[in-house]
Parts: sequence; structure tokens; C-alpha cells
Amino acid sequence: GAVVSQHPSRVICKSGTSVKIECRSLDFQATTMFWYRQFPKQSLMLMATSNEGSKATYEQGVEKDKFLINHASLTLSTLTVTSAHPEDSSFYICSAVRSRTETQYFGPGTRLLVL
Amino acid sequence: GEDVEQSLFLSVREGDSSVINCTYTDSSSTYLYWYKQEPGAGLQLLTYIFSNMDMKQDQRLTVLLNKKDKHLSLRIADTQTGDSAIYFCAEISNDYKLSFGAGTTVTVRA
Repeated sequence: GAVVSQHPSRVICKSGTSVKIECRSLDFQATTMFWYRQFPKQSLMLMATSNEGSKATYEQGVEKDKFLINHASLTLSTLTVTSAHPEDSSFYICSAVRSRTETQYFGPGTRLLVL
Repeated sequence: GEDVEQSLFLSVREGDSSVINCTYTDSSSTYLYWYKQEPGAGLQLLTYIFSNMDMKQDQRLTVLLNKKDKHLSLRIADTQTGDSAIYFCAEISNDYKLSFGAGTTVTVRA
């Protein structure tokens, strides 16, 4: 149990376009999902916490209008990178938990390259 | 990640034991975690330890926790080539957010 998927695994887009990344919990209901960003050879940086049915909570320095998060159901959260620029190129990873007090299970990540 | 520190690299010979060290700062963390990341992949939960434990063993993995010194270690016995990866330790805050170390790149040589 506790499988989390992400789609797409890899995306290349032109500067100025928007990209949507999906995070799904496949075999459990996730009340909370987290979105992280990872630069090459660096640690994971928490971007936002997404709770089902409510607005996401963004970490300091993360632009909420740039990174739109929607958690419409207990198994799906989406991250939309709006008007993407080359500096948004990164590895985006989500995690999901059954409840806030439980262990986070991570998705396989999405590699975004903005040209 | 600044509050959790790890050494960046470890090279170990196949069959030997690997020890990865980590220091953390949040003494109220209830759990401490070790995650493994292979190239281009997400994070795989390896093991975790409850803060009131000193040691936890799970097959080839042994976690030691020194709460007084806020020091956590992961020992991998009989290290194999498949153990080559980046290992992250993480602490959890009161609001259930994970803070990760920078990751230790483990290279297993034949």
C-alpha cells in the first residue's frame, strides 16, 4: 500500500506556457499532499501544503499565483506552473499522507524543462 | 534543509558497512526518517525511528538515535551496488512538515 504516482514524469515546454502536474494517491485517501521542488544535487524544498477541499498553504517565498495548487479530491492534487520560464525548470515531487500525523509517501517526481 | 546536516559523500566497498550520519535541531521532532533517492526518481521511505527509541533494526538497516546530541545515523550492513543512491535524513516539525538534510551520496565500489 501507500503508492503515489505523478504525471507526467517528464515535460518540456516553451517559455510562457503553463504546465499541469498531477499527484495521485493510488491505494489510499490523502487528506494532505505536499509539493516539493528539488534543484540538481540539492535537497527538497517544500513549496506548499495542500489539504483536500481547502486552499493550499504556501511556504515563504513561493509565489501562489505562479504555482497554482488544487486538491479537488482525496486522491488527486495538481500543481500548475503558470507562464513557465527557464528558471522554473526543476524536479517537482509530491508526497501524500492519510492524515497529517502519518508518514509521507512520495511520488516518483516530474522533471520540468522550460525552453 | 539548513537545520538538518549531513555529510555530502560516502564511498564504500561492496560488502562493507556504510554509516551515514545526520544532525538535526528540532528536539520536539517525534519521528526521524531516512529516505533513499535513486537517480531521476522520487524518495523511497527506508525507515524511521520514534524519538523515544535509541535504536531500530530492520534487516540490513540499523538506525541509531542520540537524542541528547540530536544525532541520527543509518548503518547499512553488507552494502551492495544497488545501495548506491542519495540518502536523506529528515525531521518532522510540530506542524507535520518534513525538513530534509542536503543528502549523502553513497557510492558503492566493487
